[in-house]
Amino acid sequence: GNSVTQMEGPVTLSEEAFLTINCTYTATGYPSLFWYVQYPGEGLQLLLKATKADDKGSNKGFEATYRKETTSFHLEKGSVQVSDSAVYFCALKTLSGGATNKLIFGTGTLLAVQP
Amino acid sequence: DVKVTQSSRYLVKRTGEKVFLECVQDMDHENMFWYRQDPGLGLRLIYFSYDVKMKEKGDIPEGYSVSREKKERFSLILESTSTNQTSMYLCASSLSGSSNQPQHFGDGTRLSIL
Repeated sequence: GNSVTQMEGPVTLSEEAFLTINCTYTATGYPSLFWYVQYPGEGLQLLLKATKADDKGSNKGFEATYRKETTSFHLEKGSVQVSDSAVYFCALKTLSGGATNKLIFGTGTLLAVQP
Repeated sequence: DVKVTQSSRYLVKRTGEKVFLECVQDMDHENMFWYRQDPGLGLRLIYFSYDVKMKEKGDIPEGYSVSREKKERFSLILESTSTNQTSMYLCASSLSGSSNQPQHFGDGTRLSIL
């Protein structure tokens, strides 16, 4: 079946450090891939997405490239800030037999950035 | 901007009570979803709806039901609450069922069952 595996957290970094959060997936067909972010006490916000192989999604300095050959969608940022502290979820969505397509989420990775 | 509004941020109820969680979206989206989020388990889909009066079970529907009488509103119903339903509940909507459409989330309702 379809699934998403994320690196376990927490990830603790100093401000201005480089960030990578690993995400790999298993899916039938050609999924779309998403990163969501959840700040403390809030719901999930869409951070970026990629809908086909070799697409790069980017937003707010974050990037992720859809790698079909390695079934990965790792999240990166060159210089993190304290305000980036949050939980990050990798997710996939693929065509299924039903009338709609469900999002499959990873378990989330907590990022803590220290000043 | 996309707006998904959940009626309550925090709720405290007693075991056996009936609870309604309301969700409204203002984007004319076809699809709406209810998830629960628990530490270490991530998000799990309870129910979803792809049209008015249509609903489908997600991965953990037991103990829950839903109602979608109008396109913009999707309600989650806990008929007789139990302590294992203490959780964060998240509502989401998406424009259509195609795979490249993201889901947009509300801020969540933190429900405590005593």
